[in-house]
Amino acid sequence: GAGVSQSPSNKVTEKGKDVELRCDPISGHTALYWYRQSLGQGLEFLIYFQGNSAPDKSGLPSDRFSAERTGGSVSTLTIQRTQQEDSAVYLCASSFASGPSTDTQYFGPGTRLTVL
Amino acid sequence: AQSVTQPDIHITVSEGASLELRCNYSYGATPYLFWYVQSPGQGLQLLLKYFSGDTLVQGIKGFEAEFKRSQSSFNLRKPSVHWSDAAEYFCAVGARGGDYKLSFGAGTTVTVRA
Repeated sequence: GAGVSQSPSNKVTEKGKDVELRCDPISGHTALYWYRQSLGQGLEFLIYFQGNSAPDKSGLPSDRFSAERTGGSVSTLTIQRTQQEDSAVYLCASSFASGPSTDTQYFGPGTRLTVL
Repeated sequence: AQSVTQPDIHITVSEGASLELRCNYSYGATPYLFWYVQSPGQGLQLLLKYFSGDTLVQGIKGFEAEFKRSQSSFNLRKPSVHWSDAAEYFCAVGARGGDYKLSFGAGTTVTVRA
């Protein structure tokens, strides 16, 4: 079946511009996660959705970052007024239920964001 | 909060040789532990996970990992590597009761030489 998809695969933007990154989870998965992978770093948790609500936004690095999920499916991560330090690969994952103790997180291929 | 250390940034191994990737975690109780692999241009794929029970865990692609509580380690092993095993490997830890938030190590890049 189809896996987690993300678009665009690559995004180059100028400092100060806003960007939107999209994630399509696996159909039927209620939990959705965003992570950020910076060069030479591990994955950094950003936000977690259960259905359309986000119980945990603690990983969002600043108020320039926001995310929403509609219809319990597609999620959009928005970065406003991008900065060079925002350059990273943004990974989305989904799972059937919340928590890896109950189900595996399946990851998408990521969106590589470059801020010039 | 939990954390993970992968001491080796890069490992080079000959095809057919054995491979061991180190992972040390910090967590106050028994954690959930995972190994993921990321091939170039691909998303992360789960190799194996440990929740409880047998401390030697078998995964996909011939990988296994052993949980050692006394050493706070969860090292990944493969007896004989294939060229297709060249990738980046991530160890991750999840906390019980709030385990949706995985903490990942910085990763180990594996190069396989012919």
